[in-house]
Amino acid sequence: AQSVAQPEDQVNVAEGNPLTVKCTYSVSGNPYLFWYVQYPNRGLQFLLKYITGDNLVKGSYGFEAEFNKSQTSFHLKKPSALVSDSALYFCAVGPRGYIPTFGRGTSLIVHP
Amino acid sequence: NAGVTQTPKFQVLKTGQSMTLQCAQDMNHNSMYWYRQDPGMGLRLIYYSASEGTTDKGEVPNGYNVSRLNKREFSLRLESAAPSQTSVYFCASSPNQGTKGANVLTFGAGSRLTVL
Repeated sequence: AQSVAQPEDQVNVAEGNPLTVKCTYSVSGNPYLFWYVQYPNRGLQFLLKYITGDNLVKGSYGFEAEFNKSQTSFHLKKPSALVSDSALYFCAVGPRGYIPTFGRGTSLIVHP
Repeated sequence: NAGVTQTPKFQVLKTGQSMTLQCAQDMNHNSMYWYRQDPGMGLRLIYYSASEGTTDKGEVPNGYNVSRLNKREFSLRLESAAPSQTSVYFCASSPNQGTKGANVLTFGAGSRLTVL
């Protein structure tokens, strides 16, 4: 079985400050890891993925994520937060090619 | 390029009524999915279709049926709606589920269903 934990329901950060949204996972074998973002009243949009290779993955809108195999984590980061980054963020994990399992989501609020 | 289109966007039903949520994608994807999103529960998979002509149960299939009408369309039917089915429903598609490569999903905008 595979699972994802997003330990924070909400993350608050001031505009211009760095942000981190946490994710840990459990999966048999090598993981495929994903981050999606959901803006209000919209569907989820793909941000980035980790398959193999460099532990730091760069994605859309200036976001990046760091894969840490020993800690089974895949935290989402951005060096300087924007108010427009405020949204719901979902981490997901899947074995190769299979259907990803999503976390419960973390609400990111960026204050002006 | 519309991507994944869901209809209706909003629907209110009475307990026991039936309805069908429609989903269509124009990306020539083979695989399609139905999820429900509830506060604090994240996304839960209801049914999926790995390819045209096949459907399989997901995590929470009870009370739902699906039809993969053709490669483009995948509908979700509630035969006898219950208040527990009040939720936001998302359809998604991907190039190929179960094959080589990371399975990146493209989502529709969602259908908000309220069952009274």
